[in-house]
Amino acid sequence: TQLLEQSPQFLSIQEGENLTVYCNSSSVFSSLQWYRQEPGEGPVLLVTVVTGGEVKKLKRLTFQFGDARKDSSLHITAAQPGDTGLYLCAGARGSNYKLTFGKGTLLTVNP
Amino acid sequence: DVKVTQSSRYLVKRTGEKVFLECVQDMDHENMFWYRQDPGLGLRLIYFSYDVKMKEKGDIPEGYSVSREKKERFSLILESASTNQTSMYLCASRLAPQGSYEQYFGPGTRLTVT
Repeated sequence: TQLLEQSPQFLSIQEGENLTVYCNSSSVFSSLQWYRQEPGEGPVLLVTVVTGGEVKKLKRLTFQFGDARKDSSLHITAAQPGDTGLYLCAGARGSNYKLTFGKGTLLTVNP
Repeated sequence: DVKVTQSSRYLVKRTGEKVFLECVQDMDHENMFWYRQDPGLGLRLIYFSYDVKMKEKGDIPEGYSVSREKKERFSLILESASTNQTSMYLCASRLAPQGSYEQYFGPGTRLTVT
């Protein structure tokens, strides 16, 4: 059972465009994290959201946690080629040690 | 900054060989994890350790074992490598189960079993 569904799976856009990727679940999470993974490297944490309705901004990236803590979105403004990578969302539930990962959105930003 | 290092970036082994993948973290984290990442399947948890000498099976432990003798080091062992274990292996660590859930990943080991 895939508890976290990410969409779209692939996204190819031109430099300067805006985009949104989604992370959805039927389960409630205590917190949700977004990671970016570049080819041949491990994922790097971008942000953690913990409160329903929370919005966090990281330069051109805006992260939102749904009010019910079941979903999240990542919006990138004026995408740049350096934003290219695999974006992964991961949810934590209660005091469980484990994270549930989505399968990721592979973003390509063309110059 | 947290640093998680993995012993090899690329590894090629033959079917039936015993393979050791080493992971070291330098931030005194209690929890450590081993994942494999395959196209279309995402990250899947193989084993995790919440403290020294403690380990628990993840979602796909078959064919793997682990060892955590020291807090900073978590080893993944493929007892008899098979071609279906060709994959990207990622190690991660986390400070503690309470509060922060963030996991810090190593650069990965791309293992090919021929």
